[in-house]
Amino acid sequence: KQEVTQIPAALSVPEGENLVLNCSFTDSAIYNLQWFRQDPGKGLTSLLLIQSSQREQTSGRLNASLDKSSGRSTLYIAASQPGDSATYLCAVFTSGTYKYIFGTGTRLKVLA
Amino acid sequence: DAGVTQSPTHLIKTRGQQVTLRCSPISGHKSVSWYQQVLGQGPQFIFQYYEKEERGRGNFPDRFSARQFPNYSSELNVNALLLGDSALYLCASSSSGAGYEQYFGPGTRLTVT
Repeated sequence: KQEVTQIPAALSVPEGENLVLNCSFTDSAIYNLQWFRQDPGKGLTSLLLIQSSQREQTSGRLNASLDKSSGRSTLYIAASQPGDSATYLCAVFTSGTYKYIFGTGTRLKVLA
Repeated sequence: DAGVTQSPTHLIKTRGQQVTLRCSPISGHKSVSWYQQVLGQGPQFIFQYYEKEERGRGNFPDRFSARQFPNYSSELNVNALLLGDSALYLCASSSSGAGYEQYFGPGTRLTVT
């Protein structure tokens, strides 16, 4: 049974810092992994999708890496801004299923 | 282009009542998935539909049901509401069934009193 864990649960950093959010999963037979952003009370915004055959994806100040063998993914945010404050969720699509399994998220606060 | 739309935005129901939530996917997307998100947790998978057929079901009781229409829009029905059904219900669409990038709607906030 796939389980997804995100550490830390909450993070507070000053503006301008580079930071790393972690996501780990127990079953390495994944199809892909997707990172999302969620603002309070809102839906999810897709940030990056990494296919199982890929090692990383980049979009602007965001970089996501995937190490299937160790069951880990990281989301790197460069030069953080107050507007980056949100909850970041990772979701894993396990091969042979029809569903994404989500972690519980990391709540990020960037202080001005 | 319009994204995923959901209606209603908010809903308040009483225990024992029934509720229907609606979702319209992105134009051209044939797959719709439903998730339940309770406060402080990640979304939990309820159903996936592709080409009007159920492809996956999560660990939810039979009080939860869904369907997909020929235009690929979808409804989620919940019968005999319990207080524990209070949550944000999210709909996601993707271009195909398994493993394609999912795009989420704004959600329907259901409160059961």
